Amino acid sequence: NAGVTQTPKFQVLKTGQSMTLQCAQDMNHEYMSWYRQDPGMGLRLIHYSVGAGITDQGEVPNGYNVSRSTTEDFPLRLLSAAPSQTSVYFCASYGTGTYEQYFGPGTRLTVT
Amino acid sequence: KNEVEQSPQNLTAQEGEFITINCSYSVGISALHWLQQHPGGGIVSLFMLSSGKKKHGRLIATINIQEKHSSLHITASHPRDSAVYICAVFGSGGSNYKLTFGKGTLLTVNP
Repeated sequence: NAGVTQTPKFQVLKTGQSMTLQCAQDMNHEYMSWYRQDPGMGLRLIHYSVGAGITDQGEVPNGYNVSRSTTEDFPLRLLSAAPSQTSVYFCASYGTGTYEQYFGPGTRLTVT
Repeated sequence: KNEVEQSPQNLTAQEGEFITINCSYSVGISALHWLQQHPGGGIVSLFMLSSGKKKHGRLIATINIQEKHSSLHITASHPRDSAVYICAVFGSGGSNYKLTFGKGTLLTVNP
């Protein structure tokens, strides 16, 4: 199993550009989440999904969009990048009946 | 007030010392995680607890549900233990899909 994969590992965007951060898991997990990690702030939940077709907002959803068309994939879209979205983004998943969390390797995003 | 508080924020130790990192939380929980993150690296789950105590090698994690408190202990610390240690909780009831994180404890172990 590859576990949770994220692409790209690094990305530089200009203000106003849009992009999609990819996240995929091969463990058939129902639950998937996106977090951002900022110095001094810890990890904060952006969006999460409890199954294909079902998503909801987390603590800091503004400026981000998600969809979950399959169990495996949970992409995060930045609609119009802003410097405040410079951060490290982590995707995570876990399965029904267990709270064991699996994290992706992260995407380091810089918006100039 | 954060729902998950960790202490200390920073900890420096000499190789071989016994280390304790504390985590207090203010909500009912379904489970608590201890996570490890090396500088510039990914996040690895060390332990998941809902009661009692777990041990893995030199690492021990305990939780007291009544007191809403957990500790992570590292025995015979080593420079490779240098990392950020993060406490995270799954809430109970309607918030049990989501993790809430502490801000982390930066541990530096000097040789």
